[in-house]
Amino acid sequence: KQEVTQIPAALSVPEGENLVLNCSFTDSAIYNLQWFRQDPGKGLTSLLLIQSSQREQTSGRLNASLDKSSGRSTLYIAASQPGDSATYLCAVRDDYKLSFGAGTTVTVRA
Amino acid sequence: EAGVAQSPRYKIIEKRQSVAFWCNPISGHATLYWYQQILGQGPKLLIQFQNNGVVDDSQLPKDRFSAERLKGVDSTLKIQPAKLEDSAVYLCASTTSGSYGYTFGSGTRLTVV
Repeated sequence: KQEVTQIPAALSVPEGENLVLNCSFTDSAIYNLQWFRQDPGKGLTSLLLIQSSQREQTSGRLNASLDKSSGRSTLYIAASQPGDSATYLCAVRDDYKLSFGAGTTVTVRA
Repeated sequence: EAGVAQSPRYKIIEKRQSVAFWCNPISGHATLYWYQQILGQGPKLLIQFQNNGVVDDSQLPKDRFSAERLKGVDSTLKIQPAKLEDSAVYLCASTTSGSYGYTFGSGTRLTVV
């Protein structure tokens, strides 16, 4: 059974600081890994999708890396802004389902 | 492309009442999922459909929850009777082949009082 862990559970940083969010998973036989953003009480917005054959994906200020052999992914958010405050979830897709971590709640202080 | 549509956005009901949620996935997506997300936790899979057949409903509390996907498109999730612990956000997602990402709807926030 796939287990996904996200550390830390919560993070508070001043505006402008870079954010580093970690995700680990136990079974490396995955199709892909997806990072999502969730605002309170809302649905999930996909940020980045990394296929199992890829090492990283970038979109604007966001960069996600994937080390499948060690079961780790890291999401970097450069020059954080108050609008980046949200919960960030990572999820891995294996044979037929998506398994989620519990998320990292980020607060960016103005 | 249009996203995954869910309704209603919010619902407040009393315990022991019934409630239904609706989801319309992205056109052409054969696989549809319902997830339950309790506050402070990651989403938990309730049921997975492939076209109109159930692939996995191992975590669906079948004594009170039911789901169907008619004609392999829209889906409804029903709770009857609701309990206080059913208060959560119910998320619908759809996807296609194994390398494709998931697209989630905006969710339905259920409060049972």
